[in-house]
Amino acid sequence: NAGVMQNPRHLVRRRGQEARLRCSPMKGHSHVYWYRQLPEEGLKFMVYLQKENIIDESGMPKERFSAEFPKEGPSILRIQQVVRGDSAAYFCASSPPAGGSRTQYFGPGTRLLVL
Amino acid sequence: AQRVTQPEKLLSVFKGAPVELKCNYSYSGSPELFWYVQYSRQRLQLLLRHISRESIKGFTADLNKGETSFHLKKPFAQEEDSAMYYCALSDYNQGGKLIFGQGTELSVKP
Repeated sequence: NAGVMQNPRHLVRRRGQEARLRCSPMKGHSHVYWYRQLPEEGLKFMVYLQKENIIDESGMPKERFSAEFPKEGPSILRIQQVVRGDSAAYFCASSPPAGGSRTQYFGPGTRLLVL
Repeated sequence: AQRVTQPEKLLSVFKGAPVELKCNYSYSGSPELFWYVQYSRQRLQLLLRHISRESIKGFTADLNKGETSFHLKKPFAQEEDSAMYYCALSDYNQGGKLIFGQGTELSVKP
């Protein structure tokens, strides 16, 4: 099992551009969580998704941010019209379906730099 | 409000010394507590979860509901323990999202 995969590992964008971050969960995992780590801060929850459903987006900024987890393919975190304050490390985690261990396994993160 | 506090940003000890990384939480439900570790240039890895009551790499952590604490301890630190340590809580009744502390950097000197 390759573990949780995220790409790209590093992403540089200019202000106003769009950023797309991808997360492939571990095989057999149907729950995906996104977290953001701003410089000098801990990880903050953003959104929790299951296949084709957003379960909890209470940590997502109201504007410019969206997330999806389609039936096929990776989960995508999309940031439109990026600003300098979006520069951070974005981590994805996955966990098995309900009934099994709910331990979250983390990907290596995507480090976004907005110039 | 749900909150996890790790009061020490940096903890520096010598090899062989005891280590205690502090974690306090504020939560009204029934949380599950975790310690995650991040070694240099590696991803976050689960170290301990309170319901397992196990010892991993010599580390233990006991949930103290009275003091709302989940401190991480190791009797004899090793240089390879140097890493960032994050305490986190989760309430599966709210989907299992993790609430993290700000992390403590442990530096073990030879």
